[in-house]
Amino acid sequence: SAVISQKPSRDICQRGTSLTIQCQVDSQVTMMFWYRQQPGQSLTLIATANQGSEATYESGFVIDKFPISRPNLTFSTLTVSNMSPEDSSIYLCSFLPGTSAGTSNEQFFGPGTRLTVL
Amino acid sequence: AQTVTQSQPEMSVQEAETVTLSCTYDTSESDYYLFWYKQPPSRQMILVIRQEAYKQQNATENRFSVNFQKAAKSFSLKISDSQLGDAAMYFCAYRSFGNEKLTFGTGTRLTIIP
Repeated sequence: SAVISQKPSRDICQRGTSLTIQCQVDSQVTMMFWYRQQPGQSLTLIATANQGSEATYESGFVIDKFPISRPNLTFSTLTVSNMSPEDSSIYLCSFLPGTSAGTSNEQFFGPGTRLTVL
Repeated sequence: AQTVTQSQPEMSVQEAETVTLSCTYDTSESDYYLFWYKQPPSRQMILVIRQEAYKQQNATENRFSVNFQKAAKSFSLKISDSQLGDAAMYFCAYRSFGNEKLTFGTGTRLTIIP
C-alpha cells in the first residue's frame, strides 16, 4: 500500500504566526484531504485538496485561515495562518487511491502533525 | 447531512475476552459504506473493517467482525480474543455512494486490561 508522510510531526508556535504542514504520498493520487482532530475529539474535514485547482473547503473553514496547495499528484501543504491557541490540534492529511469516490476503498491517513499554539 | 454516533466514549475489556463497540448513523440514503478505523496511541489511523450497505452478510476480518443492522442503522464492531495491541481509539465512519468524504463518529477509547 502507498506510504504517506507528514512534516513536521509536531511543533509549538507562537500566537499570530503561521505554520505550513507538508504531506507527501509515494504514489500519484487523485484525492487528498486535510483533517483537524482537536484534543480528545473526532476528525473534522477541513478541505479536499484538488490538483490544479483551488481546494474545496467544508463549512466553517476558509481559505484565508487554511490555505492549501496541491502542486502535483503526490504532494500537498496546509498552512494554519495567524494562529491562536484554539488552533492547537492534530492535523492529518489523507488520500483515497485511484478514482475511489463513493466506494468502499480504504482511505489512508498520515501520521499527523501535533500543533500547540501558545 | 449524515451523522454518526458512538455512544460509548470509553470501554475496557479483559485480555482474551470479547468486546463490542456501538455505532449508529443517520441517513436517508440506501447506498453507502461503513468503516471502522483504529487510531493507536502512535496516532496513525488504520482501517479495521468495512461494510457495503447493499451486502446483507456481515463483514469479518480475523478477530474483528461487525453486526450491521441496516433497518436500525446500527453498525457495531466485535473484537474477539482481545489483545493488548487492540488498545486504541476506534472511530466509526460513513461514506455515501458517489461521494469521497468520510463522516466520523466521536470515537470510543478501548482499554485492554492485562
